[in-house]
Amino acid sequence: NAGVTQTPKFQVLKTGQSMTLQCAQDMNHEYMSWYRQDPGMGLRLIHYSVGAGITDQGEVPNGYNVSRSTTEDFPLRLLSAAPSQTSVYFCASSYFNRERSYGYTFGSGTRLTVV
Amino acid sequence: QQPVQSPQAVILREGEDAVINCSSSKALYSVHWYRQKHGEAPIFLMILLKGGEQKGHDKISASFNEKKQQSSLYLTASQLSYSGTYFCGTGNTGTASKLTFGTGTRLQVTL
Repeated sequence: NAGVTQTPKFQVLKTGQSMTLQCAQDMNHEYMSWYRQDPGMGLRLIHYSVGAGITDQGEVPNGYNVSRSTTEDFPLRLLSAAPSQTSVYFCASSYFNRERSYGYTFGSGTRLTVV
Repeated sequence: QQPVQSPQAVILREGEDAVINCSSSKALYSVHWYRQKHGEAPIFLMILLKGGEQKGHDKISASFNEKKQQSSLYLTASQLSYSGTYFCGTGNTGTASKLTFGTGTRLQVTL
């Protein structure tokens, strides 16, 4: 099993450009989420999804869009890149049950630099 | 609001013990613990659900005190491989899968 696959691993964007970070999982996990990691700030939740067709905002959603058309895929779109979006982005997935919690499997991350 | 982890950093010699704490201002349903090595993805260690249970994983164990809204991670007889940054992630009732992570505790084990 591949687990959670993120592409690309590295990306440099110019301010104002748009791009999509890809995330795919092959574990039939209902729950998927995107986090950004900045030095000294830990992991902050951008958007999450509890199943195909259902998405919701996390702590820091501004400037990002998501969609979930299939169970496997959860792409993150940067609409108009800004230097403040320079970060490492992690996609994570887990089983889902509203009444309990399951361990996350993380992708290997995308290191994004906006110049 | 992010849970607060303490200490922020700790240096140990191989074989020594360490405790990492995680405190939340909100009522907790679950606490996750993850370890991340430099340049890599976080790896899931264990999960604790409300009920005050203590779980173990080799020489790494954790406790969860829901009344105090705290969890502690215990690393005993530390090994070089334990080095990394440890994060707690907390979930609330009704949104148990949605985790808020602390800012991390950097652990370095030396010879």
